[in-house]
Amino acid sequence: AAGVIQSPRHLIKEKRETATLKCYPIPRHDTVYWYQQGPGQDPQFLISFYEKMQSDKGSIPDRFSAQQFSDYHSELNMSSLELGDSALYFCASSLEGGLSYNEQFFGPGTRLTVL
Amino acid sequence: QKEVEQDPGPLSVPEGAIVSLNCTYSNSAFQYFMWYRQYSRKGPELLMYTYSSGNKEDGRFTAQVDKSSKYISLFIRDSQPSDSATYLCAMSARRTALIFGKGTTLSVSS
Repeated sequence: AAGVIQSPRHLIKEKRETATLKCYPIPRHDTVYWYQQGPGQDPQFLISFYEKMQSDKGSIPDRFSAQQFSDYHSELNMSSLELGDSALYFCASSLEGGLSYNEQFFGPGTRLTVL
Repeated sequence: QKEVEQDPGPLSVPEGAIVSLNCTYSNSAFQYFMWYRQYSRKGPELLMYTYSSGNKEDGRFTAQVDKSSKYISLFIRDSQPSDSATYLCAMSARRTALIFGKGTTLSVSS
């Protein structure tokens, strides 16, 4: 079965640079979530989109923005990167109108390292 | 107090043992309960999904939700070395993001 695809899998950036992370949800899933997981931490919710509209917002810094496109893929844009942004970034997708509401499937993650 | 509490372990058991993992929570609005398995540096893998209270079984895994006690459990029967991973409980209310526990690290020795 098709899973959530994230790219790139690894990314190394310098401080103050920008980064763009991409997420391709499971086919027919209409909701995308972004999470940040620091070393030894649980995933922290950043932002979500349903049918291309922002649906919920968590602890996402103002330096970050995201959007969902017409093909349902999503991009997380990160600017003025800081050392503390180094983490695993996960995308998850779900089907809002499905039988298992909010059943979220995670991608493999993008490991961002800020030097 | 965090909304979701989970003992981080580590938990070490011999192969074939029954493993019990637990989480408690404080938000009575939570209705959707999930257990994820995460191997080092990999994405969380959904193991069990439960809506509201009750039990659910899938192979060697059984999930239990007791909303009156705000307590959820995951049982793993006949544990295998390949079950060694971090287990995260997660839950949400309707139309809200998942709130995760800190995760329990499990090690199954052969």
